[in-house]
Amino acid sequence: DAGVIQSPRHEVTEMGQEVTLRCKPISGHDYLFWYRQTMMRGLELLIYFNNNVPIDDSGMPEDRFSAKMPNASFSTLKIQPSEPRDSAVYFCASSPSSHGQFFGPGTRLTVL
Amino acid sequence: GEDVEQSLFLSVREGDSSVINCTYTDSSSTYLYWYKQEPGAGLQLLTYIFSNMDMKQDQRLTVLLNKKDKHLSLRIADTQTGDSAIYFCAESFASSGNTPLVFGKGTRLSVIA
Repeated sequence: DAGVIQSPRHEVTEMGQEVTLRCKPISGHDYLFWYRQTMMRGLELLIYFNNNVPIDDSGMPEDRFSAKMPNASFSTLKIQPSEPRDSAVYFCASSPSSHGQFFGPGTRLTVL
Repeated sequence: GEDVEQSLFLSVREGDSSVINCTYTDSSSTYLYWYKQEPGAGLQLLTYIFSNMDMKQDQRLTVLLNKKDKHLSLRIADTQTGDSAIYFCAESFASSGNTPLVFGKGTRLSVIA
């Protein structure tokens, strides 16, 4: 049974470039979450979806961040333009309707 | 507001029991979770407890919940070197459907052989 799949696993880019992170949730899960992990702030929720609809995006830092879920098996998190302070590990997690979230391996983003 | 607190570090000898503690502030939480994160990996769901329970045991893991004190603990029996990782406590407010988790900063467990 494949878990949550994220790509790329590592991304190094220069300030000002566009970055797109991808996530494939576990099949049959209704909820998808994007989290960001840094040493200073720990794990923070960015946005989550239910049945492909964004429910709460209050954690998205600013307009440079956007997320989409065009169908039940795919989501993207885009940063445009990227800045060095966006460097972090970005996790996608999916969940069934009941409870319990299952995390992907994360994308380590470094913005130079 | 929502806040989850954990101590940052714990060191134990192999074979001993580890107890990782967590306190939370919001009494309306419905589920409380323990996740494990190994270096360079995602978070692995270890176990969870529903807020109307006070104890749950799963093989070497025992979760204790004291709702009055808003205190959650994870006991790992016979700790092994493979248990070295960061352990996160998290709370959820879902009564139906699902809500995002609020995480503590994590406790780094070091197991000494």
